[in-house]
Amino acid sequence: AQSVTQLGSHVSVSEGALVLLRCNYSSSVPPYLFWYVQYPNQGLQLLLKYTSAATLVKGINGFEAEFKKSETSFHLTKPSAHMSDAAEYFCAVSRFGNEKLTFGTGTRLTIIP
Amino acid sequence: NAGVTQTPKFQVLKTGQSMTLQCAQDMNHEYMSWYRQDPGMGLRLIHYSVGAGITDQGEVPNGYNVSRSTTEDFPLRLLSAAPSQTSVYFCASSTVTGTRWGANVLTFGAGSRLTVL
Repeated sequence: AQSVTQLGSHVSVSEGALVLLRCNYSSSVPPYLFWYVQYPNQGLQLLLKYTSAATLVKGINGFEAEFKKSETSFHLTKPSAHMSDAAEYFCAVSRFGNEKLTFGTGTRLTIIP
Repeated sequence: NAGVTQTPKFQVLKTGQSMTLQCAQDMNHEYMSWYRQDPGMGLRLIHYSVGAGITDQGEVPNGYNVSRSTTEDFPLRLLSAAPSQTSVYFCASSTVTGTRWGANVLTFGAGSRLTVL
């Protein structure tokens, strides 16, 4: 079965610092991988998506993620945190894209002024 | 604006009551789904549909029913509410590429917060 593990349910970074949110997946076949963001009292929206093209995927709002097969990881990064990045972030996986998405438990990102 | 519309936004029920959470999309998406979000557990799939007249169970279907009579609507029914069903519910939809249900971007509604006393 496919699954994702998000390390750290809460992450705090200072404004202007590097944001690193960790996601590891388990899938015996090529995965489709997603990062979604949820702002307070809203639904989820897509940040970026990996579908086996380029291993470095750029998303909205300056975020990017790198697919590393050898590490089964898909960590999300942003060079410089902004106050508006405060939200909850979810990693999700689908094997081949053929199966329904399985979401991780989420990481709440807090930005310190 | 095009998107996924969920109603109601908030609902309080007593144990044993029934209710329906409504979900409608105007993007002609074939795939529609219901998730519940609980603290520390992420989003878990309840039921999904790949087209009118076709529904299937997800990870946590017990206590919930769905139907899909039109492409646009996908209501979620709680027949006898229990406190364990206190949660935030999200409806999400997407296009489908062949049978690749998980390949396309999900569009989420704003959520329905349900409290069962």
